[in-house]
Amino acid sequence: AQSVTQLGSHVSVSEGALVLLRCNYSSSVPPYLFWYVQYPNQGLQLLLKYTTGATLVKGINGFEAEFKKSETSFHLTKPSAHMSDAAEYFCAVSATSGGSNYKLTFGKGTLLTVNP
Amino acid sequence: KAGVTQTPRYLIKTRGQQVTLSCSPISGHRSVSWYQQTPGQGLQFLFEYFSETQRNKGNFPGRFSGRQFSNSRSEMNVSTLELGDSALYLCASSLYGDTQYFGPGTRLTVL
Repeated sequence: AQSVTQLGSHVSVSEGALVLLRCNYSSSVPPYLFWYVQYPNQGLQLLLKYTTGATLVKGINGFEAEFKKSETSFHLTKPSAHMSDAAEYFCAVSATSGGSNYKLTFGKGTLLTVNP
Repeated sequence: KAGVTQTPRYLIKTRGQQVTLSCSPISGHRSVSWYQQTPGQGLQFLFEYFSETQRNKGNFPGRFSGRQFSNSRSEMNVSTLELGDSALYLCASSLYGDTQYFGPGTRLTVL
């Protein structure tokens, strides 16, 4: 069984400040990890993913995340927030291949507000 | 490549009716997954189809069903609609199932 916990349902930052969105996961098998962003009235857009290899993953729009197995974490960061980053962010986990069980288990989401 | 498309984008139905939602995956993708998004329950997995076969299923009642065609397009059907079925239904496509790309969703309102 897998689960995702996103700490903080709402994070507010100033424009230009560091963005840090926290995600912890639980998985009985090596996980695939994802961050998605959702703008109002839209679907989910893939920001970045970790499958295997390098633990620091770079994504679109200047975001990056680091997979820390010992801490079961996959926190999302961006050095300098922009007004256009205001959206809801979802962390998700799926099982790796072997069981063909690729269903995504999502966290509850974190709403990011960027203040001018 | 064109992204995932879902039709219709918005739908209003009444209790007891049935509804069919459609999803066209990214060209070449063979896996289609469906998710339900509600304010209370968040994003929940409904089912996944791969090469016309249901490969995984979430914990939803039998009123929720789906299928996939030979061109990888997928439909999901909800019968005997309940108020609680009001949600955003998201379709995601993937080459083999690992990295999923989402469509814009269908907003279903049940009155």
